[in-house]
Amino acid sequence: GAGVSQSPRYKVAKRGQDVALRCDPISGHVSLFWYQQALGQGPEFLTYFQNEAQLDKSGLPSDRFFAERPEGSVSTLKIQRTQQEDSAVYLCASSLAAADYEQFFGPGTRLTVL
Amino acid sequence: TQLLEQSPQFLSIQEGENLTVYCNSSSVFSSLQWYRQEPGEGPVLLVTVVTGGEVKKLKRLTFQFGDARKDSSLHITAAQPGDTGLYLCARGNYKLSFGAGTTVTVRA
Repeated sequence: GAGVSQSPRYKVAKRGQDVALRCDPISGHVSLFWYQQALGQGPEFLTYFQNEAQLDKSGLPSDRFFAERPEGSVSTLKIQRTQQEDSAVYLCASSLAAADYEQFFGPGTRLTVL
Repeated sequence: TQLLEQSPQFLSIQEGENLTVYCNSSSVFSSLQWYRQEPGEGPVLLVTVVTGGEVKKLKRLTFQFGDARKDSSLHITAAQPGDTGLYLCARGNYKLSFGAGTTVTVRA
């Protein structure tokens, strides 16, 4: 596709449910990033993949958060046992190569945990 | 934790007016990026500034990087409703660290 796509665009979950958020990066982009953007804040880094390798997961807030990119293309961010503080917009970005390349962001998935 | 401080938090102006938003840090950074984010969309890169004292122009937008590389500003001349959005500054190479942003509203 022309840009980064994410699905679903909106997700409402009851507290305690598991959710899975999908990211389709720009074709051919090696690097993929996940960010969390709380209301009224800038995005905060969660994790980074280069191809299928997860090189940095230092931003994941707890072990309930898990990300994968098994074939080096599509990525899934999974949140287990969701809590209200997980409510945020989850942004995915991809870039052509590794560091110092422009990151192109998707529109995000807005997660609301009730 | 936002290491970049942006001000003001909100700015509402009339079409045709000028505006300036600021991004400051207590530490030196090697480069700084400015993004604009519209509602329901992800941030879009506007510019990257690298050299202290650097000034870059993008149509009606002027970006300045402070001499000490601890601060930056974005100035918009003759603002238009299409300039409405959240303006974010960010630092880092792959692990971007963003400020909280300035929400700019340009009224027609």
